[in-house]
Amino acid sequence: DAGVIQSPRHEVTEMGQEVTLRCKPISGHNSLFWYRQTMMRGLELLIYFNNNVPIDDSGMPEDRFSAKMPNASFSTLKIQPSEPRDSAVYFCASSSTGYGANVLTFGAGSRLTVL
Amino acid sequence: QQQVKQSPQSLIVQKGGISIINCAYENTAFDYFPWYQQFPGKGPALLIAIRPDVSEKKEGRFTISFNKSAKQFSLHIMDSQPGDSATYFCAAESENSGNTPLVFGKGTRLSVIA
Repeated sequence: DAGVIQSPRHEVTEMGQEVTLRCKPISGHNSLFWYRQTMMRGLELLIYFNNNVPIDDSGMPEDRFSAKMPNASFSTLKIQPSEPRDSAVYFCASSSTGYGANVLTFGAGSRLTVL
Repeated sequence: QQQVKQSPQSLIVQKGGISIINCAYENTAFDYFPWYQQFPGKGPALLIAIRPDVSEKKEGRFTISFNKSAKQFSLHIMDSQPGDSATYFCAAESENSGNTPLVFGKGTRLSVIA
């Protein structure tokens, strides 16, 4: 398995533009998580899905952020409009359990810079 | 609200020394405590984990010590090597709660110098 695949790896955009980050989880994993990493706040959970259904989106910072998981093999995190304070590394992770111990497999991350 | 507090934020250790990273938690429902290791440009990866039925777990040079009464756990890296230089995250979870995924500490950046 190629692991969790994220794209793009790097994104530089201007304030106000729409940003879409993509994630392909490991085949067979039924839970998917979006995290944001910054120096100040560490790893923050934004939203997670179990069997393609959003379970908890309380970590999504604002209405500008939205996430979808249309099927078991694909998820998107969208920021519209983007702001400089959204600059961070965004990680997608998947696991094979939505309940019980979560052994997360992370992707390599998408580094977002909003100018 | 930060449910898992991690310290120190950064750590410099000489090659061959012992690296110690500490974490404290508040939620007594937590019953699974993993550590993740992250190298630059990569995502975090599971390193070692412990459940509160034991006070210590060792895998090679990496040991977790767990103190249930104090609600604290720590990672010890024996004979630290330059290749151990990475960011380490502690985390906690309640396995039986269903809808509470891993809560991470803020991370410790470890540098092992020769």
